[in-house]
Amino acid sequence: DIQMTQSPSSLSASVGDRVTITCRASQSISSYLNWYQQKQGKAPKILIYAASSLQSGVPARFSGSGSGTDFTLTISSLQPEDFATYYCQQSYSTPRTFGQGTKVEIK
Amino acid sequence: EVQLVESGGGLVQPGGSLRLSCAASGFTFSSYWMHWVRQAPGKGLVWVSRINSDGSSTNYADSVKGRFTISRDNANNTLYLQMNSLRAEDTAVYYCARESRSGRHFDYWGQGTLVTVSS
Repeated sequence: DIQMTQSPSSLSASVGDRVTITCRASQSISSYLNWYQQKQGKAPKILIYAASSLQSGVPARFSGSGSGTDFTLTISSLQPEDFATYYCQQSYSTPRTFGQGTKVEIK
Repeated sequence: EVQLVESGGGLVQPGGSLRLSCAASGFTFSSYWMHWVRQAPGKGLVWVSRINSDGSSTNYADSVKGRFTISRDNANNTLYLQMNSLRAEDTAVYYCARESRSGRHFDYWGQGTLVTVSS
């Protein structure tokens, strides 16, 4: 199975900050990497798929990059509604493993 | 509008069984692969199982293999997860999710149904 490791596990940031979350796969997954946002008590929501494709309706302040084993989710200017937990997921092979999550909190 | 609505969760004793349902609407259900993902209280997302569009192919996480069975009824637009020999560690919110046909991501999720395994 492919292991996905996110860093950091949590971070504190202020509105307007640039935030970067990284995700590393235990083997190459090409660009089969997705990012989800989950708010407390809600279902996850897709933000970025195929490493860098922005899901329709998702604000352009979210962006993704990377290929192979190393990937990044960037929020260019953090907004109040962005405080949530973010998960990466590989869709290269089954099982479709998730990272452990990164909780973005208000500083 | 795409909707996925899970049901069937509840409290069950260790060793017991439960069947979850996910009612789909707003899209051609029979054209999509579907997945179950679970989340234990306060923990992260864990992929559980997947079924292809016609139900002929399935996969499971090692932790549920041999105990859980995923199936679908395309005539009634419903996804199922039969859970047997339940353990305390199966306690979680269970989400059904649709796999996008234009990528391999999960583009729609249900609201989740809570399964609690406890005596």
